[in-house]
Amino acid sequence: AQSVTQLDSHVSVSEGTPVLLRCNYSSSYSPSLFWYVQHPNKGLQLLLKYTSAATLVKGINGFEAEFKKSETSFHLTKPSAHMSDAAEYFCVVLGGGTSYGKLTFGQGTILTVHP
Amino acid sequence: GAGVSQSPSNKVTEKGKDVELRCDPISGHTALYWYRQSLGQGLEFLIYFQGNSAPDKSGLPSDRFSAERTGGSVSTLTIQRTQQEDSAVYLCASSTRDRTYEQYFGPGTRLTVT
Repeated sequence: AQSVTQLDSHVSVSEGTPVLLRCNYSSSYSPSLFWYVQHPNKGLQLLLKYTSAATLVKGINGFEAEFKKSETSFHLTKPSAHMSDAAEYFCVVLGGGTSYGKLTFGQGTILTVHP
Repeated sequence: GAGVSQSPSNKVTEKGKDVELRCDPISGHTALYWYRQSLGQGLEFLIYFQGNSAPDKSGLPSDRFSAERTGGSVSTLTIQRTQQEDSAVYLCASSTRDRTYEQYFGPGTRLTVT
Protein backbone atom coordinates (compact mmCIF):
# COMPACT_ATOMS: atom_id res chain seq x y z
CA ALA A 1 0.00 0.00 0.00
CA GLN A 2 1.10 3.55 -0.58
CA SER A 3 0.43 6.68 1.41
CA VAL A 4 1.55 10.28 1.75
CA THR A 5 1.90 12.42 4.85
CA GLN A 6 1.89 16.20 4.70
CA LEU A 7 3.82 17.43 7.65
CA ASP A 8 2.13 20.81 8.06
CA SER A 9 -1.59 21.48 8.05
CA HIS A 10 -1.01 25.25 7.74
CA VAL A 11 1.88 27.30 6.37
CA SER A 12 1.98 31.08 6.50
CA VAL A 13 4.50 33.18 4.53
CA SER A 14 4.95 36.78 3.49
CA GLU A 15 4.66 37.77 -0.13
CA GLY A 16 8.03 37.53 -1.85
CA THR A 17 9.49 34.98 0.58
CA PRO A 18 10.15 31.31 -0.20
CA VAL A 19 7.50 28.61 0.15
CA LEU A 20 8.16 25.09 1.44
CA LEU A 21 5.36 22.55 1.76
CA ARG A 22 6.55 19.20 3.08
CA CYS A 23 5.43 15.75 2.02
CA ASN A 24 6.74 12.29 2.87
CA TYR A 25 5.60 9.16 1.10
CA SER A 26 5.44 5.47 1.83
CA SER A 27 5.41 3.00 -1.03
CA SER A 28 6.50 -0.56 -1.65
CA TYR A 29 7.54 0.28 -5.19
CA SER A 30 8.79 3.29 -7.13
CA PRO A 31 5.94 5.76 -6.71
CA SER A 32 4.35 8.30 -9.00
CA LEU A 33 3.85 11.45 -6.97
CA PHE A 34 1.96 14.65 -7.61
CA TRP A 35 0.96 17.94 -6.13
CA TYR A 36 -2.55 19.21 -6.67
CA VAL A 37 -3.78 22.69 -5.71
CA GLN A 38 -7.29 23.76 -4.73
CA HIS A 39 -8.06 27.47 -4.75
CA PRO A 40 -11.08 28.67 -2.76
CA ASN A 41 -14.31 27.71 -4.48
CA LYS A 42 -12.45 26.17 -7.40
CA GLY A 43 -11.75 22.62 -8.50
CA LEU A 44 -8.57 20.67 -7.87
CA GLN A 45 -5.83 21.28 -10.42
CA LEU A 46 -2.68 19.30 -11.15
CA LEU A 47 0.35 21.41 -10.20
CA LEU A 48 3.19 19.04 -11.09
CA LYS A 49 4.02 15.37 -11.43
CA TYR A 50 6.92 12.96 -10.82
CA THR A 51 6.81 9.72 -12.78
CA SER A 52 10.37 8.34 -12.40
CA ALA A 53 12.08 10.64 -14.88
CA ALA A 54 13.99 13.69 -13.61
CA THR A 55 13.95 13.94 -9.81
CA LEU A 56 13.47 17.73 -9.90
CA VAL A 57 10.17 18.52 -11.52
CA LYS A 58 8.78 21.87 -12.46
CA GLY A 59 5.14 22.76 -12.42
CA ILE A 60 2.90 25.66 -13.12
CA ASN A 61 3.17 29.08 -11.51
CA GLY A 62 6.85 28.70 -10.61
CA PHE A 63 6.45 25.74 -8.27
CA GLU A 64 8.82 22.80 -8.26
CA ALA A 65 9.34 19.64 -6.27
CA GLU A 66 12.25 17.29 -5.73
CA PHE A 67 11.89 13.53 -5.35
CA LYS A 68 14.36 12.26 -2.75
CA LYS A 69 14.27 8.50 -2.44
CA SER A 70 16.73 8.39 0.46
CA GLU A 71 14.47 10.67 2.47
CA THR A 72 11.15 9.38 1.03
CA SER A 73 10.22 13.01 0.48
CA PHE A 74 8.60 15.07 -2.24
CA HIS A 75 8.58 18.62 -0.90
CA LEU A 76 7.01 21.47 -2.87
CA THR A 77 8.88 24.75 -3.14
CA LYS A 78 8.64 28.15 -4.73
CA PRO A 79 11.34 30.84 -4.49
CA SER A 80 8.98 33.78 -4.05
CA ALA A 81 5.39 33.59 -2.88
CA HIS A 82 2.63 35.57 -4.56
CA MET A 83 -0.72 36.49 -3.07
CA SER A 84 -2.42 34.34 -5.71
CA ASP A 85 -0.63 31.26 -4.32
CA ALA A 86 -2.92 31.22 -1.31
CA ALA A 87 -4.75 27.90 -1.58
CA GLU A 88 -4.80 24.35 -0.22
CA TYR A 89 -2.14 22.01 -1.57
CA PHE A 90 -2.35 18.24 -1.66
CA CYS A 91 0.48 15.77 -2.03
CA VAL A 92 -0.79 12.72 -3.91
CA VAL A 93 0.45 9.24 -4.79
CA LEU A 94 -0.87 7.14 -7.65
CA GLY A 95 -1.81 3.57 -6.89
CA GLY A 96 -0.32 0.63 -8.70
CA GLY A 97 -1.18 -3.04 -9.04
CA THR A 98 -4.73 -3.67 -7.84
CA SER A 99 -4.95 0.01 -6.86
CA TYR A 100 -4.06 1.21 -10.35
CA GLY A 101 -5.60 4.55 -11.22
CA LYS A 102 -6.53 5.49 -7.67
CA LEU A 103 -5.09 8.67 -6.25
CA THR A 104 -4.37 8.74 -2.52
CA PHE A 105 -4.35 12.28 -1.16
CA GLY A 106 -2.50 13.69 1.81
CA GLN A 107 -4.46 15.67 4.37
CA GLY A 108 -3.64 18.95 2.68
CA THR A 109 -1.65 22.06 3.61
CA ILE A 110 -3.35 25.42 3.65
CA LEU A 111 -0.96 28.11 2.43
CA THR A 112 -1.61 31.67 3.58
CA VAL A 113 0.31 34.53 1.98
CA HIS A 114 0.53 37.84 3.84
CA PRO A 115 1.16 41.14 2.08
CA GLY B 1 -12.99 23.06 -24.18
CA ALA B 2 -15.55 21.98 -21.63
CA GLY B 3 -14.26 20.58 -18.37
CA VAL B 4 -15.83 18.13 -15.98
CA SER B 5 -19.26 19.28 -14.87
CA GLN B 6 -21.27 18.17 -11.86
CA SER B 7 -24.83 18.75 -10.81
CA PRO B 8 -26.31 19.90 -8.62
CA SER B 9 -23.71 22.23 -7.15
CA ASN B 10 -25.47 22.12 -3.80
CA LYS B 11 -27.93 19.63 -2.37
CA VAL B 12 -29.68 19.76 0.98
CA THR B 13 -31.62 16.67 1.93
CA GLU B 14 -33.28 15.19 4.98
CA LYS B 15 -31.82 12.22 6.76
CA GLY B 16 -33.16 9.01 5.31
CA LYS B 17 -33.81 10.34 1.80
CA ASP B 18 -32.04 9.10 -1.32
CA VAL B 19 -29.93 11.45 -3.46
CA GLU B 20 -28.41 11.25 -6.93
CA LEU B 21 -25.33 13.20 -7.95
CA ARG B 22 -24.39 13.56 -11.59
CA CYS B 23 -21.04 13.86 -13.35
CA ASP B 24 -20.31 14.71 -16.97
CA PRO B 25 -16.68 13.89 -17.76
CA ILE B 26 -14.51 15.48 -20.41
CA SER B 27 -15.41 14.11 -23.82
CA GLY B 28 -13.09 11.28 -24.81
CA HIS B 29 -11.92 10.52 -21.28
CA THR B 30 -12.35 6.82 -20.63
CA ALA B 31 -11.62 6.94 -16.91
CA LEU B 32 -13.97 8.47 -14.35
CA TYR B 33 -13.52 8.74 -10.60
CA TRP B 34 -15.59 9.77 -7.61
CA TYR B 35 -14.03 11.19 -4.44
CA ARG B 36 -15.45 12.58 -1.24
CA GLN B 37 -13.97 15.58 0.57
CA SER B 38 -15.03 16.15 4.15
CA LEU B 39 -13.66 17.83 7.25
CA GLY B 40 -11.54 15.50 9.27
CA GLN B 41 -11.38 12.86 6.53
CA GLY B 42 -9.64 14.75 3.77
CA LEU B 43 -10.13 13.50 0.22
CA GLU B 44 -11.26 9.90 -0.05
CA PHE B 45 -11.42 7.74 -3.14
CA LEU B 46 -14.86 6.19 -3.69
CA ILE B 47 -15.07 4.46 -7.07
CA TYR B 48 -13.21 4.27 -10.40
CA PHE B 49 -14.57 3.44 -13.86
CA GLN B 50 -12.19 2.60 -16.73
CA GLY B 51 -13.81 2.04 -20.09
CA ASN B 52 -16.02 -1.05 -20.14
CA SER B 53 -14.13 -2.79 -17.34
CA ALA B 54 -15.80 -3.63 -14.05
CA PRO B 55 -15.52 -0.60 -11.76
CA ASP B 56 -13.22 -0.51 -8.76
CA LYS B 57 -15.68 -0.01 -5.91
CA SER B 58 -13.20 -0.55 -3.12
CA GLY B 59 -13.61 2.95 -1.69
CA LEU B 60 -17.38 2.96 -1.26
CA PRO B 61 -18.00 3.33 2.50
CA SER B 62 -21.18 1.25 2.72
CA ASP B 63 -23.75 -0.55 0.60
CA ARG B 64 -25.89 2.60 0.69
CA PHE B 65 -23.50 4.02 -1.90
CA SER B 66 -23.59 2.97 -5.55
CA ALA B 67 -22.56 4.42 -8.87
CA GLU B 68 -23.14 3.70 -12.50
CA ARG B 69 -21.77 4.99 -15.73
CA THR B 70 -24.01 4.86 -18.75
CA GLY B 71 -22.65 4.61 -22.26
CA GLY B 72 -19.11 5.16 -21.02
CA SER B 73 -19.81 8.82 -20.36
CA VAL B 74 -22.15 10.30 -17.73
CA SER B 75 -21.99 8.87 -14.22
CA THR B 76 -24.45 8.98 -11.35
CA LEU B 77 -23.51 8.47 -7.71
CA THR B 78 -26.49 7.39 -5.61
CA ILE B 79 -26.64 7.52 -1.84
CA GLN B 80 -29.59 5.72 -0.29
CA ARG B 81 -31.05 6.46 3.14
CA THR B 82 -28.68 9.38 3.67
CA GLN B 83 -27.08 9.91 7.06
CA GLN B 84 -25.62 13.09 8.54
CA GLU B 85 -22.11 11.68 8.19
CA ASP B 86 -22.66 11.61 4.42
CA SER B 87 -22.47 15.43 4.40
CA ALA B 88 -19.43 16.33 2.31
CA VAL B 89 -18.33 17.65 -1.06
CA TYR B 90 -18.48 14.92 -3.69
CA LEU B 91 -15.93 15.37 -6.44
CA CYS B 92 -15.85 13.75 -9.84
CA ALA B 93 -12.76 13.54 -12.02
CA SER B 94 -11.90 12.11 -15.41
CA SER B 95 -8.75 11.21 -17.29
CA THR B 96 -7.50 9.47 -20.39
CA ARG B 97 -6.67 5.78 -20.14
CA ASP B 98 -2.90 6.22 -20.27
CA ARG B 99 -2.62 9.29 -18.04
CA THR B 100 -4.66 8.30 -14.99
CA TYR B 101 -2.41 10.47 -12.83
CA GLU B 102 -3.62 13.60 -14.59
CA GLN B 103 -7.16 13.76 -13.38
CA TYR B 104 -9.36 16.71 -14.20
CA PHE B 105 -11.73 17.54 -11.39
CA GLY B 106 -15.17 19.00 -11.49
CA PRO B 107 -16.31 21.73 -9.09
CA GLY B 108 -18.04 19.24 -6.82
CA THR B 109 -21.46 18.81 -5.29
CA ARG B 110 -21.83 19.98 -1.72
CA LEU B 111 -24.22 17.60 0.05
CA THR B 112 -25.76 18.59 3.36
CA VAL B 113 -27.87 16.04 5.22
CA THR B 114 -30.08 17.62 7.89
